[in-house]
Amino acid sequence: QKEVEQDPGPLSVPEGAIVSLNCTYSNSAFQYFMWYRQYSRKGPELLMYTYSSGNKEDGRFTAQVDKSSKYISLFIRDSQPSDSATYLCAMTDTGGFKTIFGAGTRLFVKA
Amino acid sequence: NAGVTQTPKFQVLKTGQSMTLQCAQDMNHNSMYWYRQDPGMGLRLIYYSASEGTTDKGEVPNGYNVSRLNKREFSLRLESAAPSQTSVYFCASSAAGSGASNEQFFGPGTRLTVL
Repeated sequence: QKEVEQDPGPLSVPEGAIVSLNCTYSNSAFQYFMWYRQYSRKGPELLMYTYSSGNKEDGRFTAQVDKSSKYISLFIRDSQPSDSATYLCAMTDTGGFKTIFGAGTRLFVKA
Repeated sequence: NAGVTQTPKFQVLKTGQSMTLQCAQDMNHNSMYWYRQDPGMGLRLIYYSASEGTTDKGEVPNGYNVSRLNKREFSLRLESAAPSQTSVYFCASSAAGSGASNEQFFGPGTRLTVL
């Protein structure tokens, strides 16, 4: 069993839809949770970063962490074609050096 | 600021050849990382360097060696390339280890094909 599970998709939505992306994990030591966006043939770029449980909002993006369920989510409101990319969840423990990534979910937003 | 830079962008090797992938960062980060990305596998950590002068194995270190040349540069060497090492390689850096978080910043990647 992988430490981090993420549905690879692809997920296809119309422009303006609310998108929900999710990951589950098995290691209760994870404390830091991140979402990265990766455009085709580019390196990942950090979108959201949260510590422990709770919600964090940044513009159209909201990250949620539920440590009791070992479940994290990224919501994208008013999705745009420019949001079409692969979204990777990532997490690490308090040591901070060994980050575990999900396999990524490919998202397509249709105009 | 260039952020994290990697060279080369593309490389084709024959089985058994050796090569070194170069990475440099200009953000004064303590920590640097090498990952490989394969379809359906996500990013897997090969090696990391928590600070200048130290290196540690990640999840998939076999067949690779690394050198933390100075605070800015972290290289990855394939001594005898194998087709299983065909992948996209990403270097990353972070401020982890200096009391800061482990937000990682990635380079543009090197696409390596081993024939």
